[in-house]
Amino acid sequence: SAVISQKPSRDICQRGTSLTIQCQVDSQVTMMFWYRQQPGQSLTLIATANQGSEATYESGFVIDKFPISRPNLTFSTLTVSNMSPEDSSIYLCSVVSGVGQPQHFGDGTRLSIL
Amino acid sequence: GIQVEQSPPDLILQEGANSTLRCNFSDSVNNLQWFHQNPWGQLINLFYIPSGTKQNGRLSATTVATERYSLLYISSSQTTDSGVYFCAVEKRFGNEKLTFGTGTRLTIIP
Repeated sequence: SAVISQKPSRDICQRGTSLTIQCQVDSQVTMMFWYRQQPGQSLTLIATANQGSEATYESGFVIDKFPISRPNLTFSTLTVSNMSPEDSSIYLCSVVSGVGQPQHFGDGTRLSIL
Repeated sequence: GIQVEQSPPDLILQEGANSTLRCNFSDSVNNLQWFHQNPWGQLINLFYIPSGTKQNGRLSATTVATERYSLLYISSSQTTDSGVYFCAVEKRFGNEKLTFGTGTRLTIIP
């Protein structure tokens, strides 16, 4: 399966600041996604990162808060903007290599907001 | 949207025991996947199983799509099996997007 590198692995940020998370894959993939996992909870899909176009956001998530880029088939970024303590979560990127293939996840970014 | 419920929510077992985890979903799906999240937070794909039965070592999974459930079997549990097990489904025409279940937290005691 693809090797997925996610950076940073963890960070502690101040309220009101923004952080950009990077997701790099060692091979071209068809689909890339961003998920959020709040403390003690399951995973929730934030958006689908579309190559060369605007991301597709799920209900409850907006571009102004979570801008996403995907300039090519191996790289994507998620920015968490104007952070508040409620944004403290693990953020994970995932990839799918092709239709009917399993989804694989990066190791996640553990974010704490003070 | 589609609902995905897992049971039991928590399970504590002695090393060497067997266990069965269940995943129920509320609508037809394109595929179902099982994941293990280890205590360090890493999420590992165990099975891609839209229907039928698959086995991988001590783990096996069965999905009965017509009855909207899946089972994950763990035999001869080891302490390294501890963590949270999630099932996730892609609804029909879902474009590979996954809806995750509520999770089962498994603790294996030496």
